[in-house]
Amino acid sequence: KNEVEQSPQNLTAQEGEFITINCSYSVGISALHWLQQHPGGGIVSLFMLSSGKKKHGRLIATINIQEKHSSLHITASHPRDSAVYICAVINFGNEKLTFGTGTRLTIIP
Amino acid sequence: DADVTQTPRNRITKTGKRIMLECSQTKGHDRMYWYRQDPGLGLRLIYYSFDVKDINKGEISDGYSVSRQAQAKFSLSLESAIPNQTALYFCATSDPQGDGNTIYFGEGSWLTVV
Repeated sequence: KNEVEQSPQNLTAQEGEFITINCSYSVGISALHWLQQHPGGGIVSLFMLSSGKKKHGRLIATINIQEKHSSLHITASHPRDSAVYICAVINFGNEKLTFGTGTRLTIIP
Repeated sequence: DADVTQTPRNRITKTGKRIMLECSQTKGHDRMYWYRQDPGLGLRLIYYSFDVKDINKGEISDGYSVSRQAQAKFSLSLESAIPNQTALYFCATSDPQGDGNTIYFGEGSWLTVV
């Protein structure tokens, strides 16, 4: 079992829909990243959070440390949101990152 | 200019050849990393460096070596490339103290070994 599991692996939705991507992890962490990878390959950090909730524009990230679970939400989705979204946790103690395998999101106009 | 720059962006090389991927950063971070991405797998850590004199193996270091030439530069070498090293390689930097542990990635280097 991977230390970081994401679901779903693939998600296709219509423009405007509310999107939820989930991340569960099995190790102790100090923080969690949500990353976005566009078709060209580049990766950008969307959020880093260790508790509660963060919001940036149409993106919202939440984390529940007790349940070892985080979600990334996209409101009013748009075709430009199409990308692979990656969850990565910072392992408590050695501070190394462990990555999920990503969720491929496709938003259809 | 990008915060983290990787060169080359794309390279095709033959089995047995030596190849170097270079990474430079303008963030002033001490910590630098090399990751490899393969289809269906999460990014995996090859090597990392927490400062110029500190080099550490990651989970898949066999067949790779690194050099931290300066705070801003961290290069990855494949001494004798083999086809299963065909992958997308990423360099990254972070600074837990000064930058809230945000991680910055380069744009990736596509390497094909034939």
